[in-house]
Amino acid sequence: DIQMTQSPSSVSASVGDRVAITCRASQGISNSLAWFQQKPGKAPKLLIFAASSLQSGVPSRFSGSGSGTDFTLTINSLQPEDFATYYCQQANSFPLTFGGGTKVEIK
Amino acid sequence: EVQLVQSGAEVKSPGESLRMSCMGSGYTFRNYWIAWVRQMPGKGLEWIGFIYPDDSDIRYNPSFEGQVTISADRSITTAYLQWRSLKASDTAMYYCARGKFSSRLVLNNYFDPWGQGTLVTVSS
Repeated sequence: DIQMTQSPSSVSASVGDRVAITCRASQGISNSLAWFQQKPGKAPKLLIFAASSLQSGVPSRFSGSGSGTDFTLTINSLQPEDFATYYCQQANSFPLTFGGGTKVEIK
Repeated sequence: EVQLVQSGAEVKSPGESLRMSCMGSGYTFRNYWIAWVRQMPGKGLEWIGFIYPDDSDIRYNPSFEGQVTISADRSITTAYLQWRSLKASDTAMYYCARGKFSSRLVLNNYFDPWGQGTLVTVSS
C-alpha cells in the first residue's frame, strides 16, 4: 500500500496568514493526488484534484503543487471559514489511501 | 444539482446486521463510481470500496473485504453498504461519495460530492 504522510499534523495560524501543508507519498504517484477539507461534523469537500487542479467553486486562495512523491497545499490569506482539517489522498493505485490529516487552528 | 442522500443514524447491538443506503440524484447514476468511506470517532478517513452501478463492478479495500458488502440498485439510483454481523469496532461515521468523472476507471478519479454521512453506533 502507498503510505501518505502529511506534515504538520496541526498548525496554528491567524486570519490573513499563508499556510502550507505538505504530503509525501511512500512511492511515486505522478500527479494522482487530491486534497480535501473537512469541517467538524461535516462531510469532506474536494478542493484540489490531479495535484494542482482547482475544483469548481473552490476559492482561488487554495492551490496545489507537486508531482511524484512530494505535494503541497497552500492557502493564501487564510479566512475564518478555512479553519478545518485537511487530508491528502492518492488516486494512483489500489488501495486508495488518505494522509493522516492536518488540523488548521486559530492562533 | 448533483446530490447524495444517505440513510439515517443507526444504533445496533453486536452481532446484528445492517444495511445503509446512499441515493444519488441530479445525474446519470449508472455512469459514475460510488465510494464508501469510514471515519472512526476522532480519526481520519479510510476508503472501504467502490461500485460502478452500470455493471456492479466492485473494488474493495483489502482491509474491508469480507467484512462488508457493497451493492447498488440502478432502478432506484441507490447504493448500499451492509454488514452481516456488526462489531463494536464498526462504530463510525460512514460516507458515500461520487466519482467526479464519468469514467470507467476508478483510478485517477476523484470523489465529490459526498453524502451527509450515516453514524453507526454498535454497543451492547
